[in-house]
Amino acid sequence: EDQVTQSPEALRLQEGESSSLNCSYTVSGLRGLFWYRQDPGKGPEFLFTLYSAGEEKEKERLKATLTKKESFLHITAPKPEDSATYLCAVQAGPNQAGTALIFGKGTTLSVSS
Amino acid sequence: NAGVMQNPRHLVRRRGQEARLRCSPMKGHSHVYWYRQLPEEGLKFMVYLQKENIIDESGMPKERFSAEFPKEGPSILRIQQVVRGDSAAYFCASSLGTTGRAFFGQGTRLTVV
Repeated sequence: EDQVTQSPEALRLQEGESSSLNCSYTVSGLRGLFWYRQDPGKGPEFLFTLYSAGEEKEKERLKATLTKKESFLHITAPKPEDSATYLCAVQAGPNQAGTALIFGKGTTLSVSS
Repeated sequence: NAGVMQNPRHLVRRRGQEARLRCSPMKGHSHVYWYRQLPEEGLKFMVYLQKENIIDESGMPKERFSAEFPKEGPSILRIQQVVRGDSAAYFCASSLGTTGRAFFGQGTRLTVV
């Protein structure tokens, strides 16, 4: 069964304290791995897509990496405005399945000043 | 360029009533997905539609739930005879094709009293 597991469930950081979020996955036929950010009461906001092992993407203080079994979201020198829930999702199966995603439960990040 | 529009944002229904949730995809997008987010759980895929066709409804409960995406107008997720367990946030997403990223709406928060 396709599965996505994120850890930790919650993470508290001081402003400027770098860390990483983990997303491990077990899927057959990975077509893409996605990172989203979700603020309370809002819909998920797209951050990155990774397609193959070894790929890396960066955006401001965030960097996403992908291996054959897991992905990391590295947060460098976070700020309070980075506080949110970060969701990892995978797209698997044949193209006919469209972009239906399998989500992890998310990591809730709190950054204090 | 408007994003994915969902309405209403909040919906309160009494047990046994019907709930209708609407989703207008991004301009030019013909692929629509519905997800449900229960408290303390991750986003769960429900159904994938293209114009006038249901492509994958493997995540949708067999009874009381239905979805459509007519040639004209928004996609509709319909829940008949709602029960308390249907209380959740329902998100719609759209994509341009069968690969790549999906864009999410702000969600409809359904409360069944």
